[in-house]
Amino acid sequence: DGGITQSPKYLFRKEGQNVTLSCEQNLNHDAMYWYRQDPGQGLRLIYYSQIVNDFQKGDIAEGYSVSREKKESFPLTVTSAQKNPTAFYLCAVRGVSYNEQFFGPGTRLTVL
Amino acid sequence: GIQVEQSPPDLILQEGANSTLRCNFSDSVNNLQWFHQNPWGQLINLFYIPSGTKQNGRLSATTVATERYSLLYISSSQTTDSGVYFCAARSYNTDKLIFGTGTRLQVFP
Repeated sequence: DGGITQSPKYLFRKEGQNVTLSCEQNLNHDAMYWYRQDPGQGLRLIYYSQIVNDFQKGDIAEGYSVSREKKESFPLTVTSAQKNPTAFYLCAVRGVSYNEQFFGPGTRLTVL
Repeated sequence: GIQVEQSPPDLILQEGANSTLRCNFSDSVNNLQWFHQNPWGQLINLFYIPSGTKQNGRLSATTVATERYSLLYISSSQTTDSGVYFCAARSYNTDKLIFGTGTRLQVFP
């Protein structure tokens, strides 16, 4: 969706380093989500936020952290505690008045 | 939580053929979506269809909520239809959209 941007597109990290992935939206949607996708697999939910200054753990939150200080932004930090961080990370948004989710273009993280 | 299963896992077609992809889910849903993931990883929204039938060009989808399944039909397939098709569902009283493992479609000329 053109209203959701993720940066960078590709990211390389050395083992033991924290890294932050950006997700920005200009759709004025309240809910935002982070998913992880491993090769040949479906998407798994990491964290989600329904309103500013509030967020909940998804199914695989260990080793990740988030913040939601602004409605437009929901950054994801992959910490050194995440044992297998190499994956494709997707951000999504959803409006309050309807259920459909829309996804950003994703960030490919590789740990060297 | 809700379980989402897709079949078949892989599908190989010749251009012009028709196909049906299936999604079964284990609970009542207030959201059922079909996505196409292109070779660059972008998830393209195909249908938002918690119940009923919708059509968009060569693609159509039907969800029978009472029997807990959804079908995606692709007619006159083209090579650009290749990729992975995901079904995702959300049950009531949760904000989590749960994904199936996808159907990988390859269309050859």
